[in-house]
This record gives sequence, C-alpha cells and structure tokens, in this order.
Amino acid sequence: AQSVTQLDSHVSVSEGTPVLLRCNYSSSYSPSLFWYVQHPNKGLQLLLKYTSAATLVKGINGFEAEFKKSETSFHLTKPSAHMSDAAEYFCVVSGRNSGNTPLVFGKGTRLSVIA
Amino acid sequence: DAGVIQSPRHEVTEMGQEVTLRCKPISGHDYLFWYRQTMMRGLELLIYFNNNVPIDDSGMPEDRFSAKMPNASFSTLKIQPSEPRDSAVYFCASSSGFGNTQYFGPGTRLTVL
Repeated sequence: AQSVTQLDSHVSVSEGTPVLLRCNYSSSYSPSLFWYVQHPNKGLQLLLKYTSAATLVKGINGFEAEFKKSETSFHLTKPSAHMSDAAEYFCVVSGRNSGNTPLVFGKGTRLSVIA
Repeated sequence: DAGVIQSPRHEVTEMGQEVTLRCKPISGHDYLFWYRQTMMRGLELLIYFNNNVPIDDSGMPEDRFSAKMPNASFSTLKIQPSEPRDSAVYFCASSSGFGNTQYFGPGTRLTVL
C-alpha cells in the first residue's frame, strides 16, 4: 500500500526566508503526488500536483516541489516566505486502483511565519 | 463551477440528537468522499462513493454513522445519535477519476454538547 511521511510536524521561518517542507513517499508503482494547503478554519486547497510529466512542479503562490524517485521524496519549497503562507500543509500520494485508498494524506506540517 | 458545497457550515447540537450533513459535489465528478478532521486524529477518510455507490466505508467509526448518495449531485452524512466525541470538522470532497485531484468543500464544524 502507498504511504507518505512528512518529516516535520512544525516548521517556523522568518518572513522573506526560504521554506522547505519535507515529504517522503512509499509506493510500489509510479504514483501521483500532491501538496495541499489548509489555512486556519478553511478547507483544503490544491497547491500542486505531480503526474510524471516533469519532475519539478510549480504550484500556486510561488511554491514548487521536486519529485526525486531515487530518494522517494517530494519536498515543497518556496524561495521567500510571506506571512500569508502560515498554514497547514499536507503531502498526499495517490492510490492506483480501487484496491487502494484513492488519496493517502500525510499527517501535515504546520508552517509558522515570523515577522 | 461553484465548487463543492456543504451545509450547514456550523452545527451545534445536544448529545443524542440526530445530525445530518449535506454535500453537493462538483458537477461531472464521479467520486465523492467524506472526511473528518480533529486535532487528535488528523484527517480521516470515512467513506467514499463512485457513481453514487458506496465503495469503502471502512473508515466509518460506528453504526451511528451512515452516508447516502441518492443521486450524482447530493450526498448526506448522518449521525444518530450524536455524541460529544463526534465533534469535529467534516469535509466533503469530489474528484473525476480514481486517485485524481480531490476538491474539498469548506467543511461543516460540528459541536455536540
């Protein structure tokens, strides 16, 4: 079965500094991978999606993620953090067929941005 | 498209009462999902439907929980009787195809007193 591990439950950065949220995945096939963001008291919003077309995926709000098969990683980065980036971020791996869970969510990483 | 629509946005009820949460998926999507989110347990998949048919309800915590999808544009999640430990935010999501992007509704915040 597929799984994801978000390596940090909480990351704190200063405004204007780079953001790195780490995610490792496990899958017996080539999966689709996603990052979702959840702002306080809001629903989950798709940030970006990898589907094997290109290993570097650009998302909304200046975020991007790089798929590294050799490292089974899909880390999320942003060059310069903004106060509005403070939120919970979820790394997600897709299931392959109806024998799997359609999307498996990581436990989330809470990003704090300090002024 | 208006996105996934959930109602009510907030629900406060007393223990033992019946609670019904509603969801309208994005038109044309063939999968619908119900999730529950709490601080303690995080995001949990409760049940999902494909073309209105329940596929996997292994995440439904107890027989007090039931879900239906009478047509492609409407689904309900019912809790009867409700208990304080059911307090959570319940999300509905829909997608086109298995394993594809799920689009989430704004959630229903349920408080059971």
